Amino acid sequence: DVKVTQSSRYLVKRTGEKVFLECVQDMDHENMFWYRQDPGLGLRLIYFSYDVKMKEKGDIPEGYSVSREKKERFSLILESASTNQTSMYLCASSPQIQEQYFGPGTRLTVT
Amino acid sequence: AQSVAQPEDQVNVAEGNPLTVKCTYSVSGNPYLFWYVQYPNRGLQFLLKYITGDNLVKGSYGFEAEFNKSQTSFHLKKPSALVSDSALYFCAVREHGSGNTGKLIFGQGTTLQVKP
Repeated sequence: DVKVTQSSRYLVKRTGEKVFLECVQDMDHENMFWYRQDPGLGLRLIYFSYDVKMKEKGDIPEGYSVSREKKERFSLILESASTNQTSMYLCASSPQIQEQYFGPGTRLTVT
Repeated sequence: AQSVAQPEDQVNVAEGNPLTVKCTYSVSGNPYLFWYVQYPNRGLQFLLKYITGDNLVKGSYGFEAEFNKSQTSFHLKKPSALVSDSALYFCAVREHGSGNTGKLIFGQGTTLQVKP
């Protein structure tokens, strides 16, 4: 079975803190994705990566950056957390054009 | 513009009755279509996909979906609903022109409530 793990299920941070969310997949997938999920807004793509060190902006990249130094790991960074970044963050991976496999999610609260 | 629409925010059915969760799409070329389910405080789980071939696709947990090209629809169905099917369901389509990146466009989600 494909396994996508995220470093934390729940996280509470203060405004202005730098926040790292980590995602690891164990299936050698080329593609990895970061989404945020908010009630009534569905899933919105923040960034994605189609290879090591390669990244592309999604629909809402502002306030975020990413890092992919190894194929299995894709990190989302909030440079200076703000309250409007309180959300559920979902990581996913996929082998090229096939279905995406999701991690359990990280519920981030910024106070 | 490419898009996916799930016209119902919520669908209510009684246990044992058939259920349908609707999805329509707008995308260039041949669509790659997917359904996912999300239980509370969990990530999304893949249910089924249509890439090519038979218009009726069978997936996990007894779910199936029917691809209808003329109506640009991909409705999710189950002959007999269970209370445990209560969850949030997402339809998605592969973004045309996204190469091998596997980018998906998601619908807004439909909450399915199955009452005993």
